[in-house]
Amino acid sequence: GQNIDQPTEMTATEGAIVQINCTYQTSGFNGLFWYQQHAGEAPTFLSYNVLDGLEEKGRFSSFLSRSKGYSYLLLKELQMKDSASYLCAVMDSNYQLIWGAGTKLIIKP
Amino acid sequence: GAVVSQHPSRVICKSGTSVKIECRSLDFQATTMFWYRQFPKKSLMLMATSNEGSKATYEQGVEKDKFLINHASLTLSTLTVTSAHPEDSSFYICSARWNAVKETQYFGPGTRLLVL
Repeated sequence: GQNIDQPTEMTATEGAIVQINCTYQTSGFNGLFWYQQHAGEAPTFLSYNVLDGLEEKGRFSSFLSRSKGYSYLLLKELQMKDSASYLCAVMDSNYQLIWGAGTKLIIKP
Repeated sequence: GAVVSQHPSRVICKSGTSVKIECRSLDFQATTMFWYRQFPKKSLMLMATSNEGSKATYEQGVEKDKFLINHASLTLSTLTVTSAHPEDSSFYICSARWNAVKETQYFGPGTRLLVL
């Protein structure tokens, strides 16, 4: 079956760095996405990785290893507004998104 | 980026009534639209995939007669929750894509449905 695992909840301190991991097993692979979702809102796109390696975009970076079925989202210089759920999603061979359960990130002052 | 709108953003209805949710792609032709639902503190669950001009494909466990999906044009898809019950209360989110770029889905802002 298809499976995406990510931690349920993480806590970090304002100004620090946090890494959210995601492992996956899917039928086919057409890329891995990270989305941010604030409570009561729809997900917003953060990153897309289809090749191995690190993609950097400002304070956020995303890494992919296809051979290991592994990705992480790295958030630097954390701000209080980064408190949200972070969803890992893999696009399978049918171009459908398979979603992880999301990681709730709590930022403390 | 591309814009997808949903209407209404919030709706409260009585049990037994039907509710229609619209999803519109404002600046591109949405060949395919997806409907998701999300329960509190849970991830998105795909309900159905609809291609313009054809019947929607429903995921296992989703009742097609209860959740009617219409995708009559390249810019509009509708989800009708028929004979709504309190357990249908949820956050419904649509997304749209242009099939020439299958990797990209644009999400609507979501519709929160509360059935009393």
